[in-house]
Amino acid sequence: GAGVSQTPSNKVTEKGKYVELRCDPISGHTALYWYRQSLGQGPEFLIYFQGTGAADDSGLPNDRFFAVRPEGSVSTLKIQRTERGDSAVYLCASSLGAGVPQETQYFGPGTRLLVL
Amino acid sequence: AQSVAQPEDQVNVAEGNPLTVKCTYSVSGNPYLFWYVQYPNRGLQFLLKYITGDNLVKGSYGFEAEFNKSQTSFHLKKPSALVSDSALYFCAVRVQSGSARQLTFGSGTQLTVLP
Repeated sequence: GAGVSQTPSNKVTEKGKYVELRCDPISGHTALYWYRQSLGQGPEFLIYFQGTGAADDSGLPNDRFFAVRPEGSVSTLKIQRTERGDSAVYLCASSLGAGVPQETQYFGPGTRLLVL
Repeated sequence: AQSVAQPEDQVNVAEGNPLTVKCTYSVSGNPYLFWYVQYPNRGLQFLLKYITGDNLVKGSYGFEAEFNKSQTSFHLKKPSALVSDSALYFCAVRVQSGSARQLTFGSGTQLTVLP
């Protein structure tokens, strides 16, 4: 079946602008995660959804970052007043969401964000 | 807190030789351990995971990993490397207890298999 998809694949914006990044999880997966991967580093956790609600948003760096998942499927990561330091690859992952921590997370191809 | 260390930024191996990519972890409690591979401009692809039981875990594409609790390690291995194995490899950990579901990743190891 189809994997996790993310759009756009690349986004170039100017400092101070607002951006939205979209994630479409694997069908039937109720758990959804956002990670950020800076150049030369491993992915870092941002936020985790179980269904429609954010179960853990402890990784969001500041209040310019916000994410929603209104219908429990597609999620949008929103970044306000972008800064050059926000430039990174934003990865989305999903898992079955059965509530067991050993579940495998399946990742999308990522959105490469460049803030000029 | 949980953390992962991948002590080698780069590993080079000749095609046909065995390969090892090292990973050590630190968690408060028992870990779940994962290996992912990332090809250029692609997302992370799951290779294998350790949950419990047998310390030797077999995964995709002939890869395996050995969990060593006393050394807090989870090294990735393959008996005979292929040029197509060249990629960036990430080790990740999640603690078994508690409500946290996020993975904590190492900084990655670039594997290059030379023909």
